[in-house]
Amino acid sequence: SQTIHQWPATLVQPVGSPLSLECTVEGTSNPNLYWYRQAAGRGLQLLFYSIGIDQISSEVPQNLSASRPQDRQFILSSKKLLLSDSGFYLCAWTRGPATNEKLFFGSGTQLSVL
Amino acid sequence: GENVEQHPSTLSVQEGDSAVIKCTYSDSASNYFPWYKQELGKGPQLIIDIRSNVGEKKDQRIAVTLNKTAKHFSLHITETQPEDSAVYFCAAAPGFQKLVFGTGTRLLVSP
Repeated sequence: SQTIHQWPATLVQPVGSPLSLECTVEGTSNPNLYWYRQAAGRGLQLLFYSIGIDQISSEVPQNLSASRPQDRQFILSSKKLLLSDSGFYLCAWTRGPATNEKLFFGSGTQLSVL
Repeated sequence: GENVEQHPSTLSVQEGDSAVIKCTYSDSASNYFPWYKQELGKGPQLIIDIRSNVGEKKDQRIAVTLNKTAKHFSLHITETQPEDSAVYFCAAAPGFQKLVFGTGTRLLVSP
């Protein structure tokens, strides 16, 4: 069966510090990978998606970037965190296009920028 | 782009009652409508989904209905239980890779 791992679960970072969140999927090959952000009490905002290695699409201009160095690894990064980057970050995957395949989420990372 | 509105934002029911959450979408090209349940501190879990060629789908105590003409879809939970308490999100898929989510409904089921 397929599983998605996301870490760390909780992270507290000072403003201006770098960020690296990692996500891996097991049990499948060539998944479509996604990063979402959920602000407190808000919905889920799509940040990035990837259909293959080094193929990243950005949905919103921001302080964050994403990379996919391996087929089942997706990394969310920032060089300098802002207060507004605080939120609950979720990695997710599908077998194919999100319109055709079910989207499965990881357990999330709660990021607090102080 | 697609816009998904979800109501109500909070819903309180007594155990055993039914709960209904409604969503509207704007893009008539959307053809896939999943519902997710999110418990505190966890990632959302898919609980049921429906495609635009179907009007209704049931899975035990939960059901989803879709009205393409009016561009709205609803989640129905019957015989609610305390463990149904969570935040529920609807979503619509207007494009190749994207799901657009509603803002969520906090459901509280009181014993």
